[in-house]
Amino acid sequence: QSVLTQPPSVSGAPGQRVTISCTGSSSNIGAGYDVHWYQQLPGTAPKLLIYGNSNRPSGVPDRFSGSKSGTSASLAITGLQAEDEADYYCQSYDSSLSYVFGTGTKVTVL
Amino acid sequence: EVQLVESGGGLIQPGGSLRLSCAASGFTVSSNYMSWVRQAPGKGLEWVSVIYSGGSTYYADSVKGRFTISRDNSKNTLYLQMNSLRAEDTAVYYCAREGYCSGGSCYSRVHGYWGQGTLVTVSS
Repeated sequence: QSVLTQPPSVSGAPGQRVTISCTGSSSNIGAGYDVHWYQQLPGTAPKLLIYGNSNRPSGVPDRFSGSKSGTSASLAITGLQAEDEADYYCQSYDSSLSYVFGTGTKVTVL
Repeated sequence: EVQLVESGGGLIQPGGSLRLSCAASGFTVSSNYMSWVRQAPGKGLEWVSVIYSGGSTYYADSVKGRFTISRDNSKNTLYLQMNSLRAEDTAVYYCAREGYCSGGSCYSRVHGYWGQGTLVTVSS
């Protein structure tokens, strides 16, 4: 089954902007299915961060934003903070009737 | 408030069986899509199975024919029956409620709410 591709790691200094890419295919993101993002802090369960490509659940700071274009999506974190150090996963749906996750990206705050 | 509490994990020998439970509160399991997602130690997230409100079920290729997702409406609980377990099934297993609604708009096929997870270790 398909997997979405993310960079293994990204890093930035406090206050900087970082972006995480999520590359899919014509059977998932490119087929028009929404992309969602999850944040997983060390030792905890994943938490919904962005849904429907670009929407934030209540309580998620507006420094997190998402976008989608073609067969890819991206997550941006502006004004990076120490508490943003975590693993981030994108997720979509595939025409094979399965859910697909990204490979995951570790964000390090320098 | 939506709450999901998994249980049933533990150490099991290869070839053995285990049943995971996910007790839900704050909503009705049978009215929602419910999924199991797993995470092997130090690895990423992997979707395992989903049960739709209508009862249809779907599985990842890696578990098809070995795992069965089900629910007990009277107990408002989701289950994952795991048979013929392999070392590669070792993971933290999370249950998740599908969907997220906000401001009058609802999105499907998104893992909106997660439990805390239960660890399954398959080893001799």
